[in-house]
Amino acid sequence: DAKTTQPTSMDCAEGRAANLPCNHSTISGNEYVYWYRQIHSQGPQYIIHGLKNNETNEMASLIITEDRKSSTLILPHATLRDTAVYYCIVRVPDAGYALNFGKGTSLLVTP
Amino acid sequence: ETGVTQSPTHLIKTRGQQVTLRCSSQSGHNTVSWYQQALGQGPQFIFQYYREEENGRGNFPPRFSGLQFPNYSSELNVNALELDDSALYLCASSYVEREWDLGQFFGPGTRLTVL
Repeated sequence: DAKTTQPTSMDCAEGRAANLPCNHSTISGNEYVYWYRQIHSQGPQYIIHGLKNNETNEMASLIITEDRKSSTLILPHATLRDTAVYYCIVRVPDAGYALNFGKGTSLLVTP
Repeated sequence: ETGVTQSPTHLIKTRGQQVTLRCSSQSGHNTVSWYQQALGQGPQFIFQYYREEENGRGNFPPRFSGLQFPNYSSELNVNALELDDSALYLCASSYVEREWDLGQFFGPGTRLTVL
């Protein structure tokens, strides 16, 4: 699986948009970009995934650059409950392929 | 629809003992993966079970073994516990169709402490 690079930590004011970047310059054509988050002492929670088109669901939006070498997860109106570690993972969604979590980005949403 | 559940929530063992952790997959899912998460680190893949057989394994020794049952529940067994096995153990279930994994959904984890 392609390696990803994320900032170690970020801050965001409550109510503002949180934009979390991820670099994956070695991504191959059949690899998807997945985002998970992990709130302290809980299991990781799936957020969103995409291949090359931008995606949106009730939790977030995923913007993937045209060359697919980077992406941004957008939480449009961050709340205190969005404070968590966010993981960007690139993988082929075949059975048997693990999710390779790196260190992720620790997002702190402040009042 | 029920989510992924794990038991027990917490467990304390001593070095050299054996432990069994249990996972109940989300309804409709046929694949289960196990991960180990040490303090301050991201989860590390241990192995995956699909159709009751191991279908991928990470860099973990053979004393980490597992089972998947016909109802898609699963067990993780660890023999000869070491202090470094202290971690949060996460189970994730997913639905695999034609070798396509539609996404892994995690349980709350079991916190294992080895003394």
